[in-house]
Amino acid sequence: TQLLEQSPQFLSIQEGENLTVYCNSSSVFSSLQWYRQEPGEGPVLLVTVVTGGEVKKLKRLTFQFGDARKDSSLHITAAQPGDTGLYLCAGGGSQGNLIFGKGTKLSVKP
Amino acid sequence: DVKVTQSSRYLVKRTGEKVFLECVQDMDHENMFWYRQDPGLGLRLIYFSYDVKMKEKGDIPEGYSVSREKKERFSLILESASTNQTSMYLCASSLAYTFGNTIYFGEGSWLTVV
Repeated sequence: TQLLEQSPQFLSIQEGENLTVYCNSSSVFSSLQWYRQEPGEGPVLLVTVVTGGEVKKLKRLTFQFGDARKDSSLHITAAQPGDTGLYLCAGGGSQGNLIFGKGTKLSVKP
Repeated sequence: DVKVTQSSRYLVKRTGEKVFLECVQDMDHENMFWYRQDPGLGLRLIYFSYDVKMKEKGDIPEGYSVSREKKERFSLILESASTNQTSMYLCASSLAYTFGNTIYFGEGSWLTVV
């Protein structure tokens, strides 16, 4: 069974701080996606990483795919209250569906 | 602008009622999905469909069925609602049967079974 473990489960920080959230698996994934879900809304895709060792940047967000394609990280620089939300990683399942981690709930206080 | 629309945002139903959750996408996507999201359990796949009249069981299909009579519409049916089906239900769609394509989610339907 393919599983994705995310850590930490909860994170509460002050505006301006940096943070990193992790997504780990014992399985190899061909690619991983990161989503952000705001309260009362569905998840929205942030990025897809497909190559081992790949680094992608989206403004203050930096995504990295591990060399062995078993893990990924999301780093946010100078967090802002607008970054508050649930961050989900997802990898491709054997049936072409997505397998989601349980998410990291981020709260950024002004 | 791409759109996945779920017909009901908030529903309250009684135990034993038949419940229909409707989802429509306007992107001509082949794939459509139903997930449920619960605190501490994340998103779990109930059913998905990769073509009209086709359906595949996900991880937790028990107690649910689906219908896809038209490409743009995917319905989730709870034949006899139970309290353990109280949850947030998310519909999603994507192009083709290939991982890596963007999956677009609806805003979710909050179902409470009393």
